[in-house]
Amino acid sequence: AQSVSQHNHHVILSEAASLELGCNYSYGGTVNLFWYVQYPGQHLQLLLKYFSGDPLVKGIKGFEAEFIKSKFSFNLRKPSVQWSDTAEYFCAVNAPGNTDKLIFGTGTRLQVFP
Amino acid sequence: DVKVTQSSRYLVKRTGEKVFLECVQDMDHENMFWYRQDPGLGLRLIYFSYDVKMKEKGDIPEGYSVSREKKERFSLILESASTNQTSMYLCASRGGGAGTEAFFGQGTRLTVV
Repeated sequence: AQSVSQHNHHVILSEAASLELGCNYSYGGTVNLFWYVQYPGQHLQLLLKYFSGDPLVKGIKGFEAEFIKSKFSFNLRKPSVQWSDTAEYFCAVNAPGNTDKLIFGTGTRLQVFP
Repeated sequence: DVKVTQSSRYLVKRTGEKVFLECVQDMDHENMFWYRQDPGLGLRLIYFSYDVKMKEKGDIPEGYSVSREKKERFSLILESASTNQTSMYLCASRGGGAGTEAFFGQGTRLTVV
């Protein structure tokens, strides 16, 4: 079945460590990709998105993601995490053929310790 | 400031009850969504509406129905609540176009006893 996969379910880091969270999708054709973040007790909000053009996308709070079409991947990165980055991170794909339907991955819980 | 408002933050219902979850958006968005969020399973799409009175099943529609009589309001209905429907329910809305951002409500934590 077509899907979005996030293989890291729970990541624990110390402050200043580098972060990379994996996201793979199985849809063919043109896709649009998103990362959302859910801070404790808050609603989901957009971190960054890839629509077209430069495959390296920069988002808020120092996050970036790289779209690699040949690998069907859209991994999220941050060179140096902070305690305030503790949250759950969700990758999402705009399903091809239905441009308005968003499919989410299973999420990655990130804990950052001071 | 954009807003998606879910009518309840917490609900406790009995098995077999009919349950209504309401969601209202103030952005004139065409698209509205209901997801359920469970630990380890992420967000799973229950139903999606792309226009008034138009709907499409998501990945887990069984046991649920939806209603969209007005553009700003999207209701999720549990016809006969069961304990396996205990979950966090998230409503979202989104404008037309592949690259548009989805905006989420705060969620409704439903417990079925």
